[in-house]
Amino acid sequence: QVQLQESGPGLVKPSETLSLTCTVSGGSVSSGSYYWSWIRQPPGKGLEWIGYIYYTGSTNYNPSLKSRVTISMDTSKNQFSLKLSSVTAADTAVYYCAREVAYCTSRSCSNWFDPWGQGTLVTVSS
Amino acid sequence: SYVLTQPPSVSVAPGKTARITCGGNNIGSKSVHWYQQKPGQAPVLVIYYDSDRPSGIPERFSGSNSGNTATLIISRVEAGDEADYYCQVWDSSSDHRVFGGGTKLTVL
Repeated sequence: QVQLQESGPGLVKPSETLSLTCTVSGGSVSSGSYYWSWIRQPPGKGLEWIGYIYYTGSTNYNPSLKSRVTISMDTSKNQFSLKLSSVTAADTAVYYCAREVAYCTSRSCSNWFDPWGQGTLVTVSS
Repeated sequence: SYVLTQPPSVSVAPGKTARITCGGNNIGSKSVHWYQQKPGQAPVLVIYYDSDRPSGIPERFSGSNSGNTATLIISRVEAGDEADYYCQVWDSSSDHRVFGGGTKLTVL
């Protein structure tokens, strides 16, 4: 089955750019059936959707982060990546990548996340 | 933006039924998904499309959605069900994904 694994630095300095990569195995990021998303969770707090990328290259971001976020894809490596610029301590969190299923019934359409990567803690500190 | 409201905590005795709510404006018109997160682990999908269970999720987990409230129902609660639970919807008007604030389920 498909598995996702986050990788990247665990410590980033304030004002610098956070960069993470998600490697997908057991499936292809080029599949038109799925979106590929980033989600984060500050210590002791809830989940926050960051954004997604589709195989066409189209993206959509959380408005609260939109000015600082870039999500990209490397189909040759079966990876997608997150860049978050001008980070502060408030960006300290566990960052998860996830496959997003988009599905429609006769009644409605919806999207959900399954599966998730194990998550990686990124700390913003000097 | 669309807002989902969950109670911070719910407590239940073993063997009883736990109900975790997720409130939102006319949420019954949307499809709601639920995730279970145990300490130190990534979230796991337990209910999608209001009431469907992924393979491997026990039948004890079910869901409902109507009006302004969606509910995750866990029957015959076990100690292993103790976790944080999050609801999530897709806001079609903005194409954004929205999570509730999460509910900590404590098994007494």
